[in-house]
Amino acid sequence: DTGVSQDPRHKITKRGQNVTFRCDPISEHNRLYWYRQTLGQGPEFLTYFQNEAQLEKSRLLSDRFSAERPKGSFSTLEIQRTEQGDSAMYLCASSLVSLSGKDGYTFGSGTRLTVV
Amino acid sequence: AQKITQTQPGMFVQEKEAVTLDCTYDTSDPSYGLFWYKQPSSGEMIFLIYQGSYDQQNATEGRYSLNFQKARKSANLVISASQLGDSAMYFCAMREDTDKLIFGTGTRLQVFP
Repeated sequence: DTGVSQDPRHKITKRGQNVTFRCDPISEHNRLYWYRQTLGQGPEFLTYFQNEAQLEKSRLLSDRFSAERPKGSFSTLEIQRTEQGDSAMYLCASSLVSLSGKDGYTFGSGTRLTVV
Repeated sequence: AQKITQTQPGMFVQEKEAVTLDCTYDTSDPSYGLFWYKQPSSGEMIFLIYQGSYDQQNATEGRYSLNFQKARKSANLVISASQLGDSAMYFCAMREDTDKLIFGTGTRLQVFP
């Protein structure tokens, strides 16, 4: 297993277009998270899944955003009708829930979205 | 109110010297976890070290140690014997009961020869 994979690494799209990103987590991890990072800021939580169930969504996740994890493995994040403010790095992370709580989240390299 | 505060936008350190990156946090939850991540220019977040709120000892991982002062709500990262490859953004993060991480704004560390 090579870690968390995200595809594509970079995406340039015109305002108003739809985009979809994919995340493949570490296979034995049951939780998957999406974060958004704008320039000069730390990552901000968007949503997370335990297996295929979406357990929490941030208020940042407007109705133009939708995330799925249909079989509890890979996940997709779709943004409809993109706006320039959506330009950011979209990071995916996965983790294995444990009682100790110390297990870190493994992040992917992110998808950098530029809306022109 | 900010949950995680990193007051140093940038830090410089000479190679082989130690450096401390500051982090303060705000929570009323007695059970929480504190994390430090490194983000090089490639973009991925690399886990460095973890401190649980009930841990009695400060966490250490190789050249990284966490100076945890619970009463002051601070969790500073100490990097000993800095290397050129340590140049990156460093983020402090906290997990409360909801399992999501809350990040600070980061500190850019530059190591010079």
